[in-house]
Amino acid sequence: DTGVSQDPRHKITKRGQNVTFRCDPISEHNRLYWYRQTLGQGPEFLTYFQNEAQLEKSRLLSDRFSAERPKGSFSTLEIQRTEQGDSAMYLCASSLIRTSGDNEQFFGPGTRLTVL
Amino acid sequence: AQRVTQPEKLLSVFKGAPVELKCNYSYSGSPELFWYVQYSRQRLQLLLRHISRESIKGFTADLNKGETSFHLKKPFAQEEDSAMYYCALSRVHGAGSYQLTFGKGTKLSVIP
Repeated sequence: DTGVSQDPRHKITKRGQNVTFRCDPISEHNRLYWYRQTLGQGPEFLTYFQNEAQLEKSRLLSDRFSAERPKGSFSTLEIQRTEQGDSAMYLCASSLIRTSGDNEQFFGPGTRLTVL
Repeated sequence: AQRVTQPEKLLSVFKGAPVELKCNYSYSGSPELFWYVQYSRQRLQLLLRHISRESIKGFTADLNKGETSFHLKKPFAQEEDSAMYYCALSRVHGAGSYQLTFGKGTKLSVIP
């Protein structure tokens, strides 16, 4: 499967614990996005990388959240001191910059986080 | 601020009936509009985008800048169209992240 992959697919944790998710984008895609989706809502933008640089962060991304893309390939999203309100589906997407301005984002299957 | 509104959470139609999923947006510039679809137990995937002006799986969507709408239409619904549909927008090419702003989604149920 050459699509976007995410690991783990499900994570259950206790409040106060730290969690880390991984996203592997489509090979050679230089843009990588993180979104969060809660029940009954559409995905909401969290942050994005162009290659290894984190260029934009949403105000939804509190200081407990940190994301990295160290070599411009896979990315990690860490949540420290998890809260019950962090329970959501975390989606990763990737895209390739084109001179045409094409912006099709390809989504991964998501990581479902449940904070008890 | 950019916003996407999908007024219907659930839309049920009979097989063979026409379908229209509504989407309205607010954006200060010139946006690019998309429809994404999520079938049961599958990942979110692009259905169509306004700049391509394509018909995908019989679906079409026309950007109406005057009414700031991008409604999704299909003349004859099929059972396999049952899915969650999300309207989304991003800025047109240029500097920036192209982050997508999504609506809350409409669940389409096609009744056999």
